Amino acid sequence: DTGVSQDPRHKITKRGQNVTFRCDPISEHNRLYWYRQTLGQGPEFLTYFQNEAQLEKSRLLSDRFSAERPKGSFSTLEIQRTEQGDSAMYLCASSPGTGGDKNIQYFGAGTRLSVL
Amino acid sequence: AQSVAQPEDQVNVAEGNPLTVKCTYSVSGNPYLFWYVQYPNRGLQFLLKYITGDNLVKGSYGFEAEFNKSQTSFHLKKPSALVSDSALYFCAVTWPTYGGSQGNLIFGKGTKLSVKP
Repeated sequence: DTGVSQDPRHKITKRGQNVTFRCDPISEHNRLYWYRQTLGQGPEFLTYFQNEAQLEKSRLLSDRFSAERPKGSFSTLEIQRTEQGDSAMYLCASSPGTGGDKNIQYFGAGTRLSVL
Repeated sequence: AQSVAQPEDQVNVAEGNPLTVKCTYSVSGNPYLFWYVQYPNRGLQFLLKYITGDNLVKGSYGFEAEFNKSQTSFHLKKPSALVSDSALYFCAVTWPTYGGSQGNLIFGKGTKLSVKP
């Protein structure tokens, strides 16, 4: 068990460019979550998947954001036409969905996005 | 609306003294409550949870928390603080969905704990 892995750890981009982040959850965790964290704030929910199905999306997830989880394994979060307000830490978490730890979300180290 | 409040931006404690980090919540129905800790440049680490049962829950690194339904609180405590406990602490809440599992977490703004030698 290597934990939740996120790539890249840091991303610097120019306004208007597209970026994509990847998250590899803990093996056999069927739930995967994306959060956004800005300086001085707690993480804010963006979206989550159960297996390959995207079950819920926050109103924070504008139409410039899209997330996928093909085959219910890794997930990608894409931001199109980035804006300076998109600068934040993007966190991924996974949970087993069943069993004694089903309610615990395990977080990756995050991808820090800076939009210039 | 569901929410979590951490009223203190920062808590300062001397090493060896007890510490308390406060959290109150607003959730309709029965809450699932969590504490996470975040060290610089690292992700959130799970400390402990309350789902049901005993109001006093024990977690990692000697931390514990007490669920108080009447006061809608879930304060984090440790009897004797260590310098290495210095970090950012987040309280979070969710609620049961279909099948007893949970949806997304709602986090407080975080409390910076500083433990001085």
